[in-house]
Amino acid sequence: DAEITQSPRHKITETGRQVTLACHQTWNHNNMFWYRQDLGHGLRLIHYSYGVQDTNKGEVSDGYSVSRSNTEDLPLTLESAASSQTSVYFCASSMDRNYGYTFGSGTRLTVV
Amino acid sequence: RKEVEQDPGPFNVPEGATVAFNCTYSNSASQSFFWYRQDCRKEPKLLMSVYSSGNEDGRFTAQLNRASQYISLLIRDSKLSDSATYLCVVPGGRNFNKFYFGSGTKLNVKP
Repeated sequence: DAEITQSPRHKITETGRQVTLACHQTWNHNNMFWYRQDLGHGLRLIHYSYGVQDTNKGEVSDGYSVSRSNTEDLPLTLESAASSQTSVYFCASSMDRNYGYTFGSGTRLTVV
Repeated sequence: RKEVEQDPGPFNVPEGATVAFNCTYSNSASQSFFWYRQDCRKEPKLLMSVYSSGNEDGRFTAQLNRASQYISLLIRDSKLSDSATYLCVVPGGRNFNKFYFGSGTKLNVKP
């Protein structure tokens, strides 16, 4: 069965370190998205991609980067982790606007 | 104005009750809409899609009012297992492939 997987499920890192969160989908979806979710803020879009070599900034992109070298993967990199980036991160993919998103199970990141 | 707005609740209802949530959106050009369910900060899961005037699936009914730019979710005969946060989603961005999420409405169904 097709799926979308995120790794790691939990991560603790130190301030200033570079961290990469993985997202891999086997749906063959062109559209992929990264969100963070914090109490009181709901889901906020970090970066998104509509296809290979396409990346776009979302509403909270500062301090984050993504790259899209193939259809299946959209890794999210925190260039220099900060305590404000402690959050739950969700990756999602979609075929198009009529089908909704499929979400990964999330990565809980703690920056100490 | 936010793309999507929801009443955060919580809505506290007894088992068997009927409860309804509304969600307003700002982009009048949006064509399709979604309701997602999220449990305890797990991943959101698609509950219903709304493409025209509405959609019904068992105890759940979603309705769209384009003139007033809101969508609603009605849950009949509430179950304890319906306790969750319900997220309203509206497509936007280029070709409407980017989704805007409401902050969610929390539902607590009590015995």
